[in-house]
Amino acid sequence: KAGVTQTPRYLIKTRGQQVTLSCSPISGHRSVSWYQQTPGQGLQFLFEYFSETQRNKGNFPGRFSGRQFSNSRSEMNVSTLELGDSALYLCASSSYYSSGSGDTQYFGPGTRLTVL
Amino acid sequence: KNQVEQSPQSLIILEGKNCTLQCNYTVSPFSNLRWYKQDTGRGPVSLTIMTFSENTKSNGRYTATLDADTKQSSLHITASQLSDSASYICVVSAMNSGGYQKVTFGTGTKLQVIP
Repeated sequence: KAGVTQTPRYLIKTRGQQVTLSCSPISGHRSVSWYQQTPGQGLQFLFEYFSETQRNKGNFPGRFSGRQFSNSRSEMNVSTLELGDSALYLCASSSYYSSGSGDTQYFGPGTRLTVL
Repeated sequence: KNQVEQSPQSLIILEGKNCTLQCNYTVSPFSNLRWYKQDTGRGPVSLTIMTFSENTKSNGRYTATLDADTKQSSLHITASQLSDSASYICVVSAMNSGGYQKVTFGTGTKLQVIP
């Protein structure tokens, strides 16, 4: 079974531009979560999608948005990029949306975004 | 405010030795606690998941414990190997009013195993 894939793996943008990152979950998984990882803040939760609906959202500005398609693939968009947006963006998939059962999340390799 | 604190921040141990990493949290209402291993430049990999009713869970040489009363968890690594060198992240989830989880990540413990 193929793992979670993310594209592109590396991206360089300049301030003010926008960027779209893509995540393909493990086959059969319907939940996709996005995270931002920086050396200073560690891993921070962005949002979670399940069945094309945003189910959960972290404390990030509206410049960060996402969507999920009917095949469970998800995209994340960041508009008006700032220098502080430079980070590793990780997506994780699971078979069901977050619940008390502690469903395992499987992470992709991440997209390394550098904003100049 | 939900917080997850991990200690130590970094650790160096000799190959073959055991070590224990700590995680203290203030997250509530508690839903589950996960330990992840993250190699440099790669995404985190799940090691264990524990819910409220579980106090020990093992995954090979990794054993996690949970004390929900004191809100503490530990990850014990037995007979360490060079490949254990990585960051170990504790993640605690709380159930929000909508029935979905809010996840809080610890800043991790960076473990280095030396020959």
